Amino acid sequence: DTEVTQTPKHLVMGMTNKKSLKCEQHMGHRAMYWYKQKAKKPPELMFVYSYEKLSINESVPSRFSPECPNSSLLNLHLHALQPEDSALYLCASSPTWIRRGPLYEQYFGPGTRLTVT
Amino acid sequence: TQLLEQSPQFLSIQEGENLTVYCNSSSVFSSLQWYRQEPGEGPVLLVTVVTGGEVKKLKRLTFQFGDARKDSSLHITAAQPGDTGLYLCAGLQGAQKLVFGQGTRLTINP
Repeated sequence: DTEVTQTPKHLVMGMTNKKSLKCEQHMGHRAMYWYKQKAKKPPELMFVYSYEKLSINESVPSRFSPECPNSSLLNLHLHALQPEDSALYLCASSPTWIRRGPLYEQYFGPGTRLTVT
Repeated sequence: TQLLEQSPQFLSIQEGENLTVYCNSSSVFSSLQWYRQEPGEGPVLLVTVVTGGEVKKLKRLTFQFGDARKDSSLHITAAQPGDTGLYLCAGLQGAQKLVFGQGTRLTINP
């Protein structure tokens, strides 16, 4: 099973709202990722968690707050977003480099389409 | 950040034709992955290539990793309308960061 699930599928929020995106995987992967994808662009890395610890933050604004409560779950808390934050938010998971070396495959979820009004 | 240049950006061909998509960089990657993405969905992993000169086949799709591990290509034989989609190459930078090319939007006309 190579499934990564994400909820909700669609989210519309105002600039003063607080919402959360959720991601779950049961593949035993210990690395999880958040990506942002704007229309007609490739995914851009936001955060990486490895063994439930934040290992990479690609200079993402603090209005995005990631959380990894356990090895299967990844959340992205959203607060005071701007309209330009509207995008497809993708979660991915992978085995860690220690286990797989360069054969290091990331599996993506279906994404959450976020619209900020 | 290492850059991946993907070409062509857009390709529209007739069913039954062959095509090749290229992914080039001036930097060496430890591995390179190809994904296909449908509108509004997440990328789906097609293949990972690791060894310089490696060739992998997936039915009518052939993937090649350059000898120097700086470039890769995807060749589709006898394209079908079901092959329509966005094809993304992504190189592994370091141990955890995938760098994506800009993508090739492929349309196969019946």
